[in-house]
Amino acid sequence: GAVVSQHPSWVICKSGTSVKIECRSLDFQATTMFWYRQFPKQSLMLMATSNEGSKATYEQGVEKDKFLINHASLTLSTLTVTSAHPEDSSFYICSAIMREGVQETQYFGPGTRLLVL
Amino acid sequence: GDSVTQMEGPVTLSEEAFLTINCTYTATGYPSLFWYVQYPGEGLQLLLKATKADDKGSNKGFEATYRKETTSFHLEKGSVQVSDSAVYFCALRNFNKFYFGSGTKLNVKP
Repeated sequence: GAVVSQHPSWVICKSGTSVKIECRSLDFQATTMFWYRQFPKQSLMLMATSNEGSKATYEQGVEKDKFLINHASLTLSTLTVTSAHPEDSSFYICSAIMREGVQETQYFGPGTRLLVL
Repeated sequence: GDSVTQMEGPVTLSEEAFLTINCTYTATGYPSLFWYVQYPGEGLQLLLKATKADDKGSNKGFEATYRKETTSFHLEKGSVQVSDSAVYFCALRNFNKFYFGSGTKLNVKP
């Protein structure tokens, strides 16, 4: 099946610093990627929809200035957590939509664990 | 708003036991329904899906039927294996957005 990678797989940073997470579709082009956040023992929460060549669409309650999303190419979307604080510590997961005709399949990355000290 | 509720885990079964993981949903319109599986250390993978009422999705011995009357999409497998140990997520897609349940961890013991 199609592969989506995320980098880094985990990161520890000091409070106040910014962290960039990359999401790549390795063997297909994705005009649409999603960013999710997952808290322990909870469901994935959609943060935003990343569209290649246009601004991301953020879900209600997600600060767009806090979580900057850039979908620079058909295979890369980045999520930057700006001025990270301990409450931003979480598991961040991206997914990419592969379209084949009218069929759409969502492929997930392995996730990035962020710990803000 | 749209939401998915699935049974809490962990679920612990012996090999060859019958598995059911319950999933119910709330949605407007006509959502598509999915089961995803996450093996340790890996990303979520699509296990099966159903796009309309009464459709049955199946894969690797797992099955789920889209029941609109009960707004359910329960996951079943007749005989689980140790290799089925993973976290299972029920999800729906509506108006190009995905909503996930909280996940159910399955432990299968030999």
